[in-house]
Amino acid sequence: QKEVEQNSGPLSVPEGAIASLNCTYSDRGSQSFFWYRQYSGKSPELIMSIYSNGDKEDGRFTAQLNKASQYVSLLIRDSQPSDSATYLCAVNMFRGATNKLIFGTGTLLAVQP
Amino acid sequence: EADIYQTPRYLVIGTGKKITLECSQTMGHDKMYWYQQDPGMELHLIHYSYGVNSTEKGDLSSESTVSRIRTEHFPLTLESARPSHTSQYLCASSALHGTSGFSPLHFGNGTRLTVT
Repeated sequence: QKEVEQNSGPLSVPEGAIASLNCTYSDRGSQSFFWYRQYSGKSPELIMSIYSNGDKEDGRFTAQLNKASQYVSLLIRDSQPSDSATYLCAVNMFRGATNKLIFGTGTLLAVQP
Repeated sequence: EADIYQTPRYLVIGTGKKITLECSQTMGHDKMYWYQQDPGMELHLIHYSYGVNSTEKGDLSSESTVSRIRTEHFPLTLESARPSHTSQYLCASSALHGTSGFSPLHFGNGTRLTVT
């Protein structure tokens, strides 16, 4: 089992719909969770951080965290073709004495006009 | 907006050459990282540093080396480039501690390396 798991997709949604991206993680001690967006050929860009259970909203983006179930999700409302990208989930984990950020393999989102 | 810079943006070089990929950040971040990523594939951590004179190897074995003589500078060197080193190299930095937890990484624009 991977430490941070994401469905690779592609997830295809029509323009204007809600895109739901999911991520599960293995370490119950994880406290910090991030969503990055990566366009093809570009570097990852931070779009959301979440540290507490519940929802965190920022514009069209909502991150949802459930530590008991060890999953974090990202909702994108009113999806636009410009949202088409790979979305990376990142979770902090302790490996020995070192606190590291572990990335999932990413979910490819395709928003159809 | 994160201020982390990588040069060159693109590099095409012949086999056997020594190359250095530059990475600098102006945010005073203690932590810096190098990732390797092939097109459409996942990120692989190859080196990281939590401060000056501190460097560690990452999860993916790499023939490259790094140095951290100054807080703002984290160059990556390949002594003898090979076609298998062809990839995108991404530098990132983060603060030592975040206000709420682990501080997020901020990425540079990357260097796309092609070894012929």
